[in-house]
Amino acid sequence: QKEVEQDPGPLSVPEGAIVSLNCTYSNSAFQYFMWYRQYSRKGPELLMYTYSSGNKEDGRFTAQVDKSSKYISLFIRDSQPSDSATYLCAMSGVGGSTLGRLYFGRGTQLTVWP
Amino acid sequence: EAGVTQSPTHLIKTRGQQATLRCSPISGHTSVYWYQQALGLGLQFLLWYDEGEERNRGNFPPRFSGRQFPNYSSELNVNALELEDSALYLCASSLLAGVTDTQYFGPGTRLTVL
Repeated sequence: QKEVEQDPGPLSVPEGAIVSLNCTYSNSAFQYFMWYRQYSRKGPELLMYTYSSGNKEDGRFTAQVDKSSKYISLFIRDSQPSDSATYLCAMSGVGGSTLGRLYFGRGTQLTVWP
Repeated sequence: EAGVTQSPTHLIKTRGQQATLRCSPISGHTSVYWYQQALGLGLQFLLWYDEGEERNRGNFPPRFSGRQFPNYSSELNVNALELEDSALYLCASSLLAGVTDTQYFGPGTRLTVL
């Protein structure tokens, strides 16, 4: 079993829709949870990060972490065509062999059409 | 402020050859991380360097190696290239050593092995 599972999609929604992206994980040592956005032929760009369980909001983006279920989500409100990209979840632990390394999901390809 | 830069943008090699990829971190960042993004596999952690030392290594064979220079730039070397080494190689940097919530990525080097 891969440590981080993410549905690759593709996901296609109309402009203005609410988008829900999700990842599950198996390593209970993970403490930091991140969402990156990657446009075609570019490097990943950090969108959101959360430490431990809880919610975090930044503009149209909301990140949720449920450590009891080992489940994280990213919600995008009022989606725009410029949100079309691949969204990667990532997570990490705080020590041992996990120190310094991010564990990524495979990414979900999102298209928002006008 | 300039971001993480990588060179070359593209690299074409034949099987058995060696490849050298270069990365310059954001000014002031001392930690450099390398990831491999192969088609359909997501980002896989390769190496982490801080203050010139290798701090952590992912599950890759020894023919993947690197180093960090006194100016904190880094080099990734891949020896005895195999076809499956074809991938996008991403470099990231962070201000604090091993802090995984703030890794900033460069645009990547696309390596093609023929």
